[in-house]
Amino acid sequence: DAGVIQSPRHEVTEMGQEVTLRCKPISGHDYLFWYRQTMMRGLELLIYFNNNVPIDDSGMPEDRFSAKMPNASFSTLKIQPSEPRDSAVYFCASGRQLNTGELFFGEGSRLTVL
Amino acid sequence: GENVEQHPSTLSVQEGDSAVIKCTYSDSASNYFPWYKQELGKGPQLIIDIRSNVGEKKDQRIAVTLNKTAKHFSLHITETQPEDSAVYFCAATFRSGGSYIPTFGRGTSLIVHP
Repeated sequence: DAGVIQSPRHEVTEMGQEVTLRCKPISGHDYLFWYRQTMMRGLELLIYFNNNVPIDDSGMPEDRFSAKMPNASFSTLKIQPSEPRDSAVYFCASGRQLNTGELFFGEGSRLTVL
Repeated sequence: GENVEQHPSTLSVQEGDSAVIKCTYSDSASNYFPWYKQELGKGPQLIIDIRSNVGEKKDQRIAVTLNKTAKHFSLHITETQPEDSAVYFCAATFRSGGSYIPTFGRGTSLIVHP
């Protein structure tokens, strides 16, 4: 298996632009998570899905952020409009049986908003 | 929800020394405690985990201990090597809406000097 695949790996954009980050989870995993990593806050959970349904989005910072999972093999995290404080590394992770099993992380998307 | 505190935030050791990272958690219902290692430019990867019915687990040079009464758990790395240099995250799982969700500590940056 190729693991969790994220794209793009790096994105540099200007304030106000729309940003879309993409994730392909490991086949057969029924949980998908979006995390944001910064020096100040560490790994923050933004939202997670179970069987393509958003379960908890309380970590999404504000209405500018949205996430979708149209099918079991694809998810997007969108920021519109982007702001410099959104600069961070965004990780997607997938897993199953979370109370006894591991999360598999992608390599992350590094976002820089100028 | 769960709250996980991790210390220290930075740990610098000489090659061959031992390193200890400590975490505390707040939700007594948490029952699974994984540790992840994040190398530069990569996503976190599971290195060892422990379940609530076990007090200690060892895998070669790494070991984890769990004290459920005190609600703390620790990662021990013996005979450290330069390749152990990375950011280490502890996590505790808590129950949220029928699912078990991992909450991560802030991370410990381990530097092993040759």
